[in-house]
Amino acid sequence: DVKVTQSSRYLVKRTGEKVFLECVQDMDHENMFWYRQDPGLGLRLIYFSYDVKMKEKGDIPEGYSVSREKKERFSLILESASTNQTSMYLCASSLTGGSYGYTFGSGTRLTVV
Amino acid sequence: GENVEQHPSTLSVQEGDSAVIKCTYSDSASNYFPWYKQELGKRPQLIIDIRSNVGEKKDQRIAVTLNKTAKHFSLHITETQPEDSAVYFCAASKGQGGSEKLVFGKGTKLTVNP
Repeated sequence: DVKVTQSSRYLVKRTGEKVFLECVQDMDHENMFWYRQDPGLGLRLIYFSYDVKMKEKGDIPEGYSVSREKKERFSLILESASTNQTSMYLCASSLTGGSYGYTFGSGTRLTVV
Repeated sequence: GENVEQHPSTLSVQEGDSAVIKCTYSDSASNYFPWYKQELGKRPQLIIDIRSNVGEKKDQRIAVTLNKTAKHFSLHITETQPEDSAVYFCAASKGQGGSEKLVFGKGTKLTVNP
C-alpha cells in the first residue's frame, strides 16, 4: 500500500546536469515536502508546498528549485548538479487538518560524479 | 527559526533494557512533537507523537514525555527487542493543521544487542 512514490531509488548523474526528482502521492494531501538526509546531519528541509503552484523555501534551498503543477506531484529540480548534492532525497506529504504526521517516500539515493 | 537538538547520537543497549532518547527545542511556539523510526534502507515512519496540551503519551512499549517549561521531550522504549534497532528522529513544529514544516533532530542510532 505504497502511498508516496519516488520515481527512482538510485540515480547517478554527472556534474552540471539538470536533474529531476519526482514524487507522487495518492492520499489527496495538500502539503508536500522535500528533505535531504545526510549522515550526522539528519533531515534538512529543502522546499515545501502547501498547495498547487505554491512553494516555500526550506532551510537549504540553494541550488534547488521545485514544481507543483498538480496536487499529487511535487518535483525537485537540481538546475546544475554538483558533487555536494550527492545525498539521499526524501519526499513527504501531509494532510491539512489531519493527524499532522508525514508520510515519507522510500527515498532517492542521488550520486553526482 | 526552530532548532531541535537530539541526544545521544548513538545508543547501544542489551535486549530487555530500556532506552531513552532526549530532544530539546528552541521555539516556545512549537506545539507538535513526533518521533520517527527509520530502519536500515527504509523510509522514516511515525511511531508516536505528542501535542503540547499533553504531558505524556504511551503506546505499548514506547512512551513520549514533554516538558514545555524546559522545552524538552523524550522517547522511552521499554523491554527493548532487536527489531527496535534503527535510527530514531525527533521533530517539532508549530502545526495548526498539519501544514507546518517539521524541523528534525539529527537522529539517534539505537542498537539492541541480543
